[in-house]
Amino acid sequence: DAGVTQSPTHLIKTRGQQVTLRCSPKSGHDTVSWYQQALGQGPQFIFQYYEEEERQRGNFPDRFSGHQFPNYSSELNVNALLLGDSALYLCARSPRGGGSIYEQYFGPGTRLTVT
Amino acid sequence: TQLLEQSPQFLSIQEGENLTVYCNSSSVFSSLQWYRQEPGEGPVLLVTVVTGGEVKKLKRLTFQFGDARKDSSLHITAAQPGDTGLYLCAGRREYQGGKLIFGQGTELSVKP
Repeated sequence: DAGVTQSPTHLIKTRGQQVTLRCSPKSGHDTVSWYQQALGQGPQFIFQYYEEEERQRGNFPDRFSGHQFPNYSSELNVNALLLGDSALYLCARSPRGGGSIYEQYFGPGTRLTVT
Repeated sequence: TQLLEQSPQFLSIQEGENLTVYCNSSSVFSSLQWYRQEPGEGPVLLVTVVTGGEVKKLKRLTFQFGDARKDSSLHITAAQPGDTGLYLCAGRREYQGGKLIFGQGTELSVKP
């Protein structure tokens, strides 16, 4: 058990709509990262949150935004959905403070399909 | 341009065979992790290597980090059908915090 829950499991949206995905790491793991994994590809880093602030961001447009709450849970919001946003969205937790290794433990993901 | 190149991308072998998966880069990584992912699920962390030349063993799996910390390999001895899955390497570069850079993955199929 990676200690990360994500919801919903699957989601179907129409092009142009907005979507919110949720992630809840287990207590004591306060760094949360989001990744996008297209079919047949490795995950791509979207952004990372620590102490409720975005600390790092990958090469994703501003349509992708996020939030971290005081209980360490996090949301990923995507506006103006495109067909190319269809992917598995993964949330990962890191041990408190990250240390020097930054090991990340992944949730089961949310499968987003944009039609 | 893929910062971490994995090879091969696909591998289909018979039960009992040995195999090696490679993860190469021109960049130096402060740490490198190997994950295994099954369809529709998140990646599961297998191992983290940190020191150049480091070798770690996990039952029939042997992981090695290159001396220059630019490459890594995963060797599986006597593969079993339960080893089937997508194997991903992921590196963290110095001064880039917790951002992991993933390879494109190696899809392994072990037939009984």
